[in-house]
Amino acid sequence: GQSLEQPSEVTAVEGAIVQINCTYQTSGFYGLSWYQQHDGGAPTFLSYNALDGLEETGRFSSFLSRSDSYGYLLLQELQMKDSASYFCAGSGSARQLTFGSGTQLTVLP
Amino acid sequence: EAGVTQFPSHSVIEKGQTVTLRCDPISGHDNLYWYRRVMGKEIKFLLHFVKESKQDESGMPNNRFLAERTGGTYSTLKVQPAELEDSGVYFCASSSGIGEAFFGQGTRLTVV
Repeated sequence: GQSLEQPSEVTAVEGAIVQINCTYQTSGFYGLSWYQQHDGGAPTFLSYNALDGLEETGRFSSFLSRSDSYGYLLLQELQMKDSASYFCAGSGSARQLTFGSGTQLTVLP
Repeated sequence: EAGVTQFPSHSVIEKGQTVTLRCDPISGHDNLYWYRRVMGKEIKFLLHFVKESKQDESGMPNNRFLAERTGGTYSTLKVQPAELEDSGVYFCASSSGIGEAFFGQGTRLTVV
């Protein structure tokens, strides 16, 4: 099975940079994904790391270190609309996604 | 391209009644997942289909929950009889492989 841990809350101001960490314990780990969820709606895919290193997609970047069982999501140039819940999710050998408990990001003006 | 669709969007039922949730995945996606989020807590895995076969149903809470995927297309999740603790948002997701999954808008189930 898998378990993932991430902070419950993060607060930052507009224009700042914030990093949301995720540590995992898993067997048969394939990769780490990140999802964004606004107001309890459908989680939307942000990024996926199968290999160690940094993946950049616009203002969002995601990092994975398999040796440390650790990853993070980096959000740059924060905007008010980035206020949401962010979930890391591990992909296992059975292809299911196991989610962390989510981090509520609040962006202040 | 149509995304993952779920029906109904909301359901309010009495304890002891039966409810059936439906999910239509993205066409061509072999993998279909059911998840549940209860009281704003983490998103919990329920089960995973590959085509019409149950790959993993380890997350199903008890035998009051029954999931099917007819012909490897749409899926239904039946709760019979419903209990108060079954209230929550049920999400369906589909994917073609590992990594990116596409979620439906969810069904908000309220058992009173």
